[in-house]
Amino acid sequence: DSGVTQTPKHLITATGQRVTLRCSPRSGDLSVYWYQQSLDQGLQFLIQYYNGEERAKGNILERFSAQQFPDLHSELNLSSLELGDSALYFCASSTAGGLSDTQYFGPGTRLTVL
Amino acid sequence: GQQLNQSPQSMFIQEGEDVSMNCTSSSIFNTWLWYKQEPGEGPVLLIALYKAGELTSNGRLTAQFGITRKDSFLNISASIPSDVGIYFCAGQMGSGGSNYKLTFGKGTLLTVNP
Repeated sequence: DSGVTQTPKHLITATGQRVTLRCSPRSGDLSVYWYQQSLDQGLQFLIQYYNGEERAKGNILERFSAQQFPDLHSELNLSSLELGDSALYFCASSTAGGLSDTQYFGPGTRLTVL
Repeated sequence: GQQLNQSPQSMFIQEGEDVSMNCTSSSIFNTWLWYKQEPGEGPVLLIALYKAGELTSNGRLTAQFGITRKDSFLNISASIPSDVGIYFCAGQMGSGGSNYKLTFGKGTLLTVNP
């Protein structure tokens, strides 16, 4: 158990819908990262937050957005969903978001768009 | 986006055999990491490497950070059935004080035959 929790574990929805994925980092960790894992693209970085502020952006679509709240939990919002958005979405957390800070991954949310 | 070239894509070995896998990149990384992912779980950190030339062990696992900072390898000695899973290399640039995202290889699927 990494100490990172993600809900829900599975999500099935239809194209065009909007969903919210939730992540609670390890106790004491200030930085949260979101990754998408798909068969064709592998594990891809989406976005990083540090202490409530966006720190870095990766291959995140404009239809996707995220935020980190004062209690440090984070949410990833996916809207106007397409079939190709079906994937595993992982949240990771680290102490301060620096180079030598280990990123601990949650168990993931499996999103299926029908 | 940026990719790490990880090989082999899959390995099918007998219990007790040694395993070697590697990652190469066209870019320099300041940190190399090796993760293992099992079905239904998020990636779990096995070894982190922070200096070029560094050789680090974790039980039966040994990993090295290449001198050029563009490659890394992971060895598993005397494999056992519970070594089964997907092994990912990941690189972290950490340049500019703001981008500590992980760039992942596509993974090596390891199957161990008892």
